[in-house]
Amino acid sequence: KQEVTQIPAALSVPEGENLVLNCSFTDSAIYNLQWFRQDPGKGLTSLLLIQSSQREQTSGRLNASLDKSSGRSTLYIAASQPGDSATYLCAITMDSNYQLIWGAGTKLIIKP
Amino acid sequence: GAGVSQSPRYKVTKRGQDVALRCDPISGHVSLYWYRQALGQGPEFLTYFNYEAQQDKSGLPNDRFSAERPEGSISTLTIQRTEQRDSAMYRCASSSPGGANEKLFFGSGTQLSVL
Repeated sequence: KQEVTQIPAALSVPEGENLVLNCSFTDSAIYNLQWFRQDPGKGLTSLLLIQSSQREQTSGRLNASLDKSSGRSTLYIAASQPGDSATYLCAITMDSNYQLIWGAGTKLIIKP
Repeated sequence: GAGVSQSPRYKVTKRGQDVALRCDPISGHVSLYWYRQALGQGPEFLTYFNYEAQQDKSGLPNDRFSAERPEGSISTLTIQRTEQRDSAMYRCASSSPGGANEKLFFGSGTQLSVL
């Protein structure tokens, strides 16, 4: 059974720092991995999707990498801003099965 | 519409009552998903529709939960005889054209509180 873990559960850093959020999974036979952002009172927003054949995806200040063999993905945020404060979740799709298996998220606080 | 719309935004009900949660997906999105999210946890899959066909309902907790999407657009998740353990955020998502490599677009959710 696939298990997705995100550590730490919470992270607080000063504005302007570069940071890395981690996601690990137990079964490497994934179809794809997505990183989502969750803001209080709002829906989940898909940030980046990495297909199993890809190693990374980039969008603006965000870069997500995928290492299937080690069961890890990282979300790199460059030059963090207070507006980046949110909970970040990773979710995995297995073998074209459309169900997403989610981590519990990392709550990120960027201090001005 | 411009995004996935869910209503009501909040629902407070008494134990034993039935509730109906509505989801209006992005126009043209063929795939629709219902998830449930407890505080501090990731979402939990409930059910999936492709057009009007309910392809998978394996995540529905028990037979008090049902969902429909009769015309392949708006979907309703119904919980009968609600219990306190049903309290959670219920999230709907849609995607197009429906492959597993398509990004999901989520609505803001319905926060259900069963007293």
